[in-house]
Amino acid sequence: AQSVTQPDIHITVSEGASLELRCNYSYGATPYLFWYVQSPGQGLQLLLKYFSGDTLVQGIKGFEAEFKRSQSSFNLRKPSVHWSDAAEYFCAVKANAGGTSYGKLTFGQGTILTVHP
Amino acid sequence: EPEVTQTPSHQVTQMGQEVILRCVPISNHLYFYWYRQILGQKVEFLVSFYNNEISEKSEIFDDQFSVERPDGSNFTLKIRSTKLEDSAMYFCASSSGTSGDIQYFGAGTRLSVL
Repeated sequence: AQSVTQPDIHITVSEGASLELRCNYSYGATPYLFWYVQSPGQGLQLLLKYFSGDTLVQGIKGFEAEFKRSQSSFNLRKPSVHWSDAAEYFCAVKANAGGTSYGKLTFGQGTILTVHP
Repeated sequence: EPEVTQTPSHQVTQMGQEVILRCVPISNHLYFYWYRQILGQKVEFLVSFYNNEISEKSEIFDDQFSVERPDGSNFTLKIRSTKLEDSAMYFCASSSGTSGDIQYFGAGTRLSVL
């Protein structure tokens, strides 16, 4: 069964600092990988996704993530954080076309990001 | 941009009562999902729905739960007899296809069972 681990429950950074949120997954093959963000009172918004190809993917709001097969990781990064980035971030995995559960997303615990001015 | 709409945003109910959570998926989407998040825990998959039938469900989705697409636009989750442990945020999502495609989420309904 697929699983996702986000080791950091809560991260605090200063505005303008760089950010890296960690995500590790467990899956038998290369899955589809996603990062979602949730601001208070909002739904889950897709930041970026990895399906295949270039292992460095760009997303919205200046975020990027790198898929590392050898480490089973898909860490999210941003070079300079803005106060508006404060939110909860979720990493998720979905089985690829060869899997049997190709519809459902499996989420990590989430990482709450606090941004200090 | 099209969005998934969920109503109500907050539902308070007494234990043992039936509740119906409503969702309006994105109009040209064919696949529909319900997830839930108990406070402090992971977002968990409940059920997926395609072509007017359940395509997959988790072990959480027992006989107390049911889903329906009563018309061309709504997708509902019914809990027949709520328990305290059903208190959670319930998210609806929709997508245009399955393998590799993107699920779009609503803002959620917070269900509080007293």
